[in-house]
Amino acid sequence: EDQVTQSPEALRLQEGESSSLNCSYTVSGLRGLFWYRQDPGKGPEFLFTLYSAGEEKEKERLKATLTKKESFLHITAPKPEDSATYLCAVQMNTGFQKLVFGTGTRLLVSP
Amino acid sequence: EAQVTQNPRYLITVTGKKLTVTCSQNMNHEYMSWYRQDPGLGLRQIYYSMNVEVTDKGDVPEGYKVSRKEKRNFPLILESPSPNQTSLYFCASSPYRESYEQYFGPGTRLTVT
Repeated sequence: EDQVTQSPEALRLQEGESSSLNCSYTVSGLRGLFWYRQDPGKGPEFLFTLYSAGEEKEKERLKATLTKKESFLHITAPKPEDSATYLCAVQMNTGFQKLVFGTGTRLLVSP
Repeated sequence: EAQVTQNPRYLITVTGKKLTVTCSQNMNHEYMSWYRQDPGLGLRQIYYSMNVEVTDKGDVPEGYKVSRKEKRNFPLILESPSPNQTSLYFCASSPYRESYEQYFGPGTRLTVT
């Protein structure tokens, strides 16, 4: 069964304390992996797409990386405004119209 | 402004009373989809549409209907809502290409009593 698991469920950081979020997946064939940010009471907002192992994408304090079995979202020197839930989703080779989402990591960055 | 809109944003209803949640996008996207989000279960796809008059079931379609008569609109219909359909619903759209960078609406919080 296609599955996406994110860890940790919740993470509390001090401002400036770098860390990483993990997204591991077991799918029959990966077409793409997506990272989204979701603020309370809002819809998910697209951050990155990764297609192949070794690929990296960066945006401000965020960097996403991909291996054959997992992806990491690295947060460097986070600020309180980075507090949100970060969602990972995978798109399979078959049925590319479908995204399978993980349950997310709730990040809280304290000043 | 490019956006996906949903209405209503909040809805409390009773078991069995038919309701429709509207979704509209102004980006001329071919692909649209409905998700529900529940604690501990994440986002699960209900239905999706690849284009006008083309719809198909996602992972949790039971108890829902959709239609796609116009490219911009993709309403979600609950013919006879039940309490287990209490959830947070999101509509999303995407241009038709190999990767699906989906753009989400603000969500509709539905409570069925």
